Amino acid sequence: AQKVTQAQTEISVVEKEDVTLDCVYETRDTTYYLFWYKQPPSGELVFLIRRNSFDEQNEISGRYSWNFQKSTSSFNFTITASQVVDSAVYFCALSGYTGGGNKLTFGTGTQLKVEL
Amino acid sequence: GAGVSQSPSNKVTEKGKDVELRCDPISGHTALYWYRQRLGQGLEFLIYFQGNSAPDKSGLPSDRFSAERTGESVSTLTIQRTQQEDSAVYLCASSSANRGGYTFGSGTRLTVV
Repeated sequence: AQKVTQAQTEISVVEKEDVTLDCVYETRDTTYYLFWYKQPPSGELVFLIRRNSFDEQNEISGRYSWNFQKSTSSFNFTITASQVVDSAVYFCALSGYTGGGNKLTFGTGTQLKVEL
Repeated sequence: GAGVSQSPSNKVTEKGKDVELRCDPISGHTALYWYRQRLGQGLEFLIYFQGNSAPDKSGLPSDRFSAERTGESVSTLTIQRTQQEDSAVYLCASSSANRGGYTFGSGTRLTVV
């Protein structure tokens, strides 16, 4: 069975602070994908990143960076110099790599509030 | 189409009535998924289609829920005899392969009164 844990239910920061959202996962698959999605107040799910379990390189995209540590089953997400527009719920998700169709298993989300 | 389209965007129904929710996936996407998101909670998997077959229905919460898909196109999620606990946003996603590259629709907000 697959499981994704986002222990932080809500985080509040002041604009320009850096913030890290934690994600820990469990899977028996040896190959899998990890994702982060953003859900702003408007409700749509915005894809941020997909990472293959073979690729442990960290990734940076503008103010966003992701730290994948297979040894600790973690895939943490850092926003540098946060902005009010970053306020949203962020979901970490996991999918398998088998041939039978791979549903996404989501964490419960972290509500990020960035205040002026 | 350019994205995953869901209709209606909002639906208010009386308890006990049946509802149908529609999902139009991205053209060419063979895999289609339905999820449910209750207020303030994460997404729960409901059902997965590969083409018009449903190899994984494990998330359907009761026999009041059913879904079908026509070929590799439109899918309909039907909830019979709706209950108040069915109130949620129902999200559809499609993918061009069995892994990765999921695109979500904007969802249908269902309110059962």
